[in-house]
Amino acid sequence: DTAVSQTPKYLVTQMGNDKSIKCEQNLGHDTMYWYKQDSKKFLKIMFSYNNKELIINETVPNRFSPKSPDKAHLNLHINSLELGDSAVYFCASSRLDTDTQYFGPGTRLTVL
Amino acid sequence: AQSVTQLDSHVSVSEGTPVLLRCNYSSSYSPSLFWYVQHPNKGLQLLLKYTSAATLVKGINGFEAEFKKSETSFHLTKPSAHMSDAAEYFCVVSDRTSGTYKYIFGTGTRLKVLA
Repeated sequence: DTAVSQTPKYLVTQMGNDKSIKCEQNLGHDTMYWYKQDSKKFLKIMFSYNNKELIINETVPNRFSPKSPDKAHLNLHINSLELGDSAVYFCASSRLDTDTQYFGPGTRLTVL
Repeated sequence: AQSVTQLDSHVSVSEGTPVLLRCNYSSSYSPSLFWYVQHPNKGLQLLLKYTSAATLVKGINGFEAEFKKSETSFHLTKPSAHMSDAAEYFCVVSDRTSGTYKYIFGTGTRLKVLA
């Protein structure tokens, strides 16, 4: 059973396009996150949601819009893609009362 | 502000020899610290977690880490490296902000295991 899943695993697209990445967790967690891993493997938080409410937004361009239809899902929509958006995007989840996060397998986004 | 510093970007060891991956942290309060491993083209897997219950933390796959407050360190060790340990390792501190936790990652240490 996959705890945190992401789709797609790979995404190749042209500059200027709009794309979405989906994340689902079946752990019953209340909190979900998006992280970006750049080409040097550095990981940084982008967003955090608690029970569908946005809690953390770490100075991410407003071209990035997370959406949480329910507490098991957190999708990431990116408008007007730029070359610098190329990265691996990781979704994670945790219980509300603990700081241990469980990560999805990642989505490798390549913008041409 | 919370931060972690991984002192080595690359570490090479021979199979069967000990592994030491170094991490120093900075925290204004008692931190939660983690080690995660990322195998090539894979996601992040939790190795172990420190939450003040015990200073020596045992994790999966024979890894352990010792929390040393006096040295502000949380180094990861393994007595005997295996080829399958070759991966990227991340030291992480958890920062509670605005009612939720966010991870602050170190820059990673790539472990190479030589046959």
